[in-house]
Amino acid sequence: AQRVTQPEKLLSVFKGAPVELKCNYSYSGSPELFWYVQYSRQRLQLLLRHISRESIKGFTADLNKGETSFHLKKPFAQEEDSAMYYCAPLSINAGGTSYGKLTFGQGTILTVHP
Amino acid sequence: EADIYQTPRYLVIGTGKKITLECSQTMGHDKMYWYQQDPGMELHLIHYSYGVNSTEKGDLSSESTVSRIRTEHFPLTLESARPSHTSQYLCASSGGAGVSYNEQFFGPGTRLTVL
Repeated sequence: AQRVTQPEKLLSVFKGAPVELKCNYSYSGSPELFWYVQYSRQRLQLLLRHISRESIKGFTADLNKGETSFHLKKPFAQEEDSAMYYCAPLSINAGGTSYGKLTFGQGTILTVHP
Repeated sequence: EADIYQTPRYLVIGTGKKITLECSQTMGHDKMYWYQQDPGMELHLIHYSYGVNSTEKGDLSSESTVSRIRTEHFPLTLESARPSHTSQYLCASSGGAGVSYNEQFFGPGTRLTVL
């Protein structure tokens, strides 16, 4: 079964500091991965997807197949980045079908201090 | 406006009651999901559906049941609520076009408390 690990439950940084939220996955084949974010009192929402190779709100994430990692990075953290972040690879069953299922990591609570 | 709706947002109920959590989407998506999430914790998939009249159990065993009679509607039912069912329940859907095909869109959630 696929597993995804976010080793840091809590991460605190000061405003303007770089931030990296770690995500490691166990997977065979070419995964499709997502980062989701949940701000206080808001819905869980997509932050970015690796296939788009995009930068959203200053965040980027690079898929490293060798290390099976998909870490989320931002060079200069802002207070409004404080939120819960989830790494989520697409789940593929033994027959190669996903049905769009995602496996969510345990989540990392990021706090950016002024 | 395309969205995903959940009602009620909050529910406090006594042990043994039957409850139904509603989820509807106007996204035009074919796949829908139910997750259970305790505050500040990970999401656990409890049910999913890839189309009308299809329902499957998720990774976390749940005493709840679901139905998918209409594309846009995916209600979750607990026949006899217990305090162990106290949690937040999130509904999601996916199936958009292009790169968004596997992106899941989430509803606001229902926070259930069973006394």
